[in-house]
Amino acid sequence: SQKIEQNSEALNIQEGKTATLTCNYTNYSPAYLQWYRQDPGRGPVFLLLIRENEKEKRKERLKVTFDTTLKQSLFHITASQPADSATYLCALGVRNNDMRFGAGTRLTVKP
Amino acid sequence: DGGITQSPKYLFRKEGQNVTLSCEQNLNHDAMYWYRQDPGQGLRLIYYSQIVNDFQKGDIAEGYSVSREKKESFPLTVTSAQKNPTAFYLCASKANYGYTFGSGTRLTVV
Repeated sequence: SQKIEQNSEALNIQEGKTATLTCNYTNYSPAYLQWYRQDPGRGPVFLLLIRENEKEKRKERLKVTFDTTLKQSLFHITASQPADSATYLCALGVRNNDMRFGAGTRLTVKP
Repeated sequence: DGGITQSPKYLFRKEGQNVTLSCEQNLNHDAMYWYRQDPGQGLRLIYYSQIVNDFQKGDIAEGYSVSREKKESFPLTVTSAQKNPTAFYLCASKANYGYTFGSGTRLTVV
């Protein structure tokens, strides 16, 4: 069956460290993958898109990798700050531009 | 500012009632989507519309209906046939780079 798994429901790290979130998928062949940030009671906000032929994408303190052989994407936040605390969702772009979302990982950055 | 406006933010529904969730966008996007979010689950697609006067069922369309009479508007009706409607509902539109989401409507059955 098709699945999208984000490593853990919750991740706690210390301010200044690098947060690494994982998105694994099964039985999908995504053309691209996106990461979103969601704050409590709000809609997700788009962060980054990476295509199947790209290995890595960066935006300020964010870095995303995409390994279509491992069927995995890693999302890194370097020099993390308490303001980075949120839930992060990965989403796969599949056929007909359809999107499939993971359940998200709730990140807490402690001062 | 361009964006998506969902209303109301909170909605309470009695058993057997139909309720309609509003979604308006001023981004000039053709494609619009309705998702449902439940704790511990990924967003699940209810309905989507690629163009005015056309819409398609998503994965969990049963008990829901939509219309797309204008480009800017994509309302979702939760009918009495939806047996477990308590959830957070998100409307989105599609840009080249990703989806733009509204702030959501939290629907509770009382």
